[in-house]
Amino acid sequence: DVKVTQSSRYLVKRTGEKVFLECVQDMDHENMFWYRQDPGLGLRLIYFSYDVKMKEKGDIPEGYSVSREKKERFSLILESASTNQTSMYLCASRRSLNRGPGNEQFFGPGTRLTVL
Amino acid sequence: AQTVTQSQPEMSVQEAETVTLSCTYDTSENNYYLFWYKQPPSRQMILVIRQEAYKQQNATENRFSVNFQKAAKSFSLKISDSQLGDTAMYFCAFMGETSYDKVIFGPGTSLSVIP
Repeated sequence: DVKVTQSSRYLVKRTGEKVFLECVQDMDHENMFWYRQDPGLGLRLIYFSYDVKMKEKGDIPEGYSVSREKKERFSLILESASTNQTSMYLCASRRSLNRGPGNEQFFGPGTRLTVL
Repeated sequence: AQTVTQSQPEMSVQEAETVTLSCTYDTSENNYYLFWYKQPPSRQMILVIRQEAYKQQNATENRFSVNFQKAAKSFSLKISDSQLGDTAMYFCAFMGETSYDKVIFGPGTSLSVIP
């Protein structure tokens, strides 16, 4: 089974802090994603990565950056946390689209971040 | 831009009954994929069922089936013989051929199965 893990289930930070959210997958997937989940809005894509050191902006990248130094690890960085970044953050991975479209995404358990 | 709409924020169903969750989407593409994902309380999101737009036959996975109406841009999920473990948030999702890297999710429907 694909396993996607996230470094924390719950996190509380203060406004202005730099926040790192880590995601690790163990199935050698090329593609990895970061979403935020808010009630009534579903999942919104923040950033995604095709491969190591590759990244692409999603729909709501403002205030976030990412890092992918190793294939299995994809980090989301909040450079200066703000209260409007309080949310559930979900990481996902998927095998390369070159190996067939329509592949499912495998999700981590999520990190509920509260910024005070 | 593609959009996905789920018009039922919350639904409930008696155990062993059948329930249908609705989803509509907007796209100008001809080839695409549609998904239903399930997110149980405090648990990881998992794929329930997947439909390829070029296939006319509706997808089925055990108690879960879809009614895919391409012309109407409708993709509903039917859960038969509902079980307590079906209680979850359900998300409809769209992936178009011109943007396979992105999946567009609907706002979700919270389903409660009542004993």
